[in-house]
Amino acid sequence: DQQVKQNSPSLSVQEGRISILNCDYTNSMFDYFLWYKKYPAEGPTFLISISSIKDKNEDGRFTVFLNKSAKHLSLHIVPSQPGDSAVYFCAAWGGAQKLVFGQGTRLTINP
Amino acid sequence: NAGVTQTPKFQVLKTGQSMTLQCAQDMNHNSMYWYRQDPGMGLRLIYYSASEGTTDKGEVPNGYNVSRLNKREFSLRLESAAPSQTSVYFCASTDPGQGGTDTQYFGPGTRLTVL
Repeated sequence: DQQVKQNSPSLSVQEGRISILNCDYTNSMFDYFLWYKKYPAEGPTFLISISSIKDKNEDGRFTVFLNKSAKHLSLHIVPSQPGDSAVYFCAAWGGAQKLVFGQGTRLTINP
Repeated sequence: NAGVTQTPKFQVLKTGQSMTLQCAQDMNHNSMYWYRQDPGMGLRLIYYSASEGTTDKGEVPNGYNVSRLNKREFSLRLESAAPSQTSVYFCASTDPGQGGTDTQYFGPGTRLTVL
């Protein structure tokens, strides 16, 4: 039972354009969400997070939007840069100090 | 600070062999975790330790054991390796008690192949 789902395994975007990565969750008890970025042969690194009391959080080129009624969050990257090419994981705190991860989306930024 | 370190980086085992994956963190975090990453499956929690002296099963604990040796170190043991345990293993740590983003910090991973 996948509680956090990233339905797009891959996404290709032209440099300078907006990248939008999507994530859906099923458990209404989730109250904190994070995005991680992963380069090949490295561990995931924290990118941005959002609490369920907010609907938007910005950090430079990265913005995360949360729609609690739809149980959906998205990560916007504007403008997209070649260094943004990586796998992005959505994650949610599931209680008992456990993070639940989505399957990941591979983002490729084309020059 | 080195953050979270893992050894070894790569390992090839034969079916039935045993091995221990080592993890250490120097951030004085209370909680530590072991995940495996498989294509199309994301990161799945194997075991975690909320604090020194405690361990709990995650989503996929079968075939693994863990030891929280002290606050810094958390090891993962495969007693009898199987090809289904071929994966990339990540260790992570966090300190939920400090609040903030409750970010988990990850090590670089161990790529394990079981033949």
